[in-house]
Amino acid sequence: KAGVTQTPRYLIKTRGQQVTLSCSPISGHRSVSWYQQTPGQGLQFLFEYFSETQRNKGNFPGRFSGRQFSNSRSEMNVSTLELGDSALYLCASSLTTAGNTEAFFGQGTRLTVV
Amino acid sequence: AQSVTQLDSQVPVFEEAPVELRCNYSSSVSVYLFWYVQYPNQGLQLLLKYLSGSTLVKGINGFEAEFNKSQTSFHLRKPSVHISDTAEYFCAVSDPGGSNYKLTFGKGTLLTVNP
Repeated sequence: KAGVTQTPRYLIKTRGQQVTLSCSPISGHRSVSWYQQTPGQGLQFLFEYFSETQRNKGNFPGRFSGRQFSNSRSEMNVSTLELGDSALYLCASSLTTAGNTEAFFGQGTRLTVV
Repeated sequence: AQSVTQLDSQVPVFEEAPVELRCNYSSSVSVYLFWYVQYPNQGLQLLLKYLSGSTLVKGINGFEAEFNKSQTSFHLRKPSVHISDTAEYFCAVSDPGGSNYKLTFGKGTLLTVNP
């Protein structure tokens, strides 16, 4: 079965712009989580959605937002981009929100802010 | 709050040698434990997980890990590594009692297997 699909794979944006990243989970998975990966901070949790509701949010400014659609596809948006937002953004889907469920990760979107 | 410490940021080894990647966690509650691997320009792939039961967990690609509650550790081992094992490895925890899904990751250990 198809894995988690993230689009686009690479993105270059200018400071001050906004960006939208997309994630299509594995069919049947209803939970989608987003993580930011940088060399300095490692992997940091952004937020998690389940059944179109944000269930949990990490410690990121309000410029970072997301949503989930009825088909479980998710988007995250970053407004007023800063140089420090350059990172690999990873999306993970899981069947449920239980802590023992396996998270399947996409290949990520590499965002470069110049 | 939970935290994960991976004690080595880089581990160089020779092919066919054994390797151990160390992971310690801190949590006020019991946790589920995971090891993920990330190859260059790829997402994360689950190697193995500890949920309950036997403290020795076997995963894919010949990796295994041992959960030690008293030492709050979950070290990853492989008896004989291959060049293809070169990748970054992440230890992670999740909260069994949580009503939402969140993984807390360590900073990662870059395993480099040399010929």
